[in-house]
Amino acid sequence: GEDVEQSLFLSVREGDSSVINCTYTDSSSTYLYWYKQEPGAGLQLLTYIFSNMDMKQDQRLTVLLNKKDKHLSLRIADTQTGDSAIYFCADGYNKLIFGAGTRLAVHP
Amino acid sequence: DTGVSQDPRHKITKRGQNVTFRCDPISEHNRLYWYRQTLGQGPEFLTYFQNEAQLEKSRLLSDRFSAERPKGSFSTLEIQRTEQGDSAMYLCASIPGQGTEAFFGQGTRLTVV
Repeated sequence: GEDVEQSLFLSVREGDSSVINCTYTDSSSTYLYWYKQEPGAGLQLLTYIFSNMDMKQDQRLTVLLNKKDKHLSLRIADTQTGDSAIYFCADGYNKLIFGAGTRLAVHP
Repeated sequence: DTGVSQDPRHKITKRGQNVTFRCDPISEHNRLYWYRQTLGQGPEFLTYFQNEAQLEKSRLLSDRFSAERPKGSFSTLEIQRTEQGDSAMYLCASIPGQGTEAFFGQGTRLTVV
């Protein structure tokens, strides 16, 4: 069945780059997504990439897609304390399948 | 605020009681989704509607769960004979017809005691 896997935890120093990785199984997805969830808050769409693209850049965010390996990554440049949150990778055609989330901790 | 409203925000109920949650999507969004999220997990798909038609239900959705979207606008999710394992955050999302972005509500947190 459809599955999305992510590493559970990432700790980075403020100002460094963060890279969050994700692997997925559903090759029929038209888009792949990154969502952010802060404590007590709802899910916020950060960015998405069309499945025929390799890379998408949006300000401090860079998404890389390797369709052959079914691997998606999110790079956050110049990570700030406000970036501390849980990041979810999601894919799917009619419905989104989410990973378990990567908790990003940013320390001074 | 994404424009998707869920009510109530919190619900505490005794085991065995029935509960009903409501979701008001962004108007004119014809796709509506229900997800369940437990602590430390990502949202798990439960069911989705296109207009008033329920097009898919997850195997997670036991016979105790039922969802409706009678006029293709708001939706309700009912859980009958609640169990402690039903304790979770129930999330609703809506997507416009040709859109790609799912707009999530703040969720309803259910606690079964």
